[in-house]
Amino acid sequence: SAVISQKPSRDICQRGTSLTIQCQVDSQVTMMFWYRQQPGQSLTLIATANQGSEATYESGFVIDKFPISRPNLTFSTLTVSNMSPEDSSIYLCSVADRYQETQYFGPGTRLLVL
Amino acid sequence: AQSVAQPEDQVNVAEGNPLTVKCTYSVSGNPYLFWYVQYPNRGLQFLLKYITGDNLVKGSYGFEAEFNKSQTSFHLKKPSALVSDSALYFCAVYNFNKFYFGSGTKLNVKP
Repeated sequence: SAVISQKPSRDICQRGTSLTIQCQVDSQVTMMFWYRQQPGQSLTLIATANQGSEATYESGFVIDKFPISRPNLTFSTLTVSNMSPEDSSIYLCSVADRYQETQYFGPGTRLLVL
Repeated sequence: AQSVAQPEDQVNVAEGNPLTVKCTYSVSGNPYLFWYVQYPNRGLQFLLKYITGDNLVKGSYGFEAEFNKSQTSFHLKKPSALVSDSALYFCAVYNFNKFYFGSGTKLNVKP
């Protein structure tokens, strides 16, 4: 399985500001995913990020609010723009294995917006 | 519509007793089924998966899961629970290039 790291692990931000979350994988992967999770709740897929193409966003999520970069096969960033308290959540990065059937998750970024 | 249901928000079990965490799904086709565990302040860890073959799948930390096609269920089991098994457990389905996660079940194992 892949080893995935995320930075920052947690942050407290003021409303109206933006935060960029980094996701680094120890091996090359085609598909990377960004999820949002309210504490103790299930996961909601924000977008799928493939290297060399635009990210694909799920219903309810837009690029202006959650711009994603995928510059290479081991790295991706998710920006949470113009934050409001409703954006307070855990943001998880994940990657799919070579057969695209199993996902492995990073430790998450815990975001609190005041 | 694809969906995954975990009917129990919380399961309480005494250490040493067997545990079951339930999962049912409603998807078209032949999905892949997964269990993940999330410890406090951690990401999700992969436990096990079913793709095809034997209906009983063995995974990490002594967990196993039984696939039942007629009941569209994929319950997670462990013969003897440990206090360290206390965590949040998620069932997931992979179908048509997408993952669908259940709402999660909090497992409390008491000494």
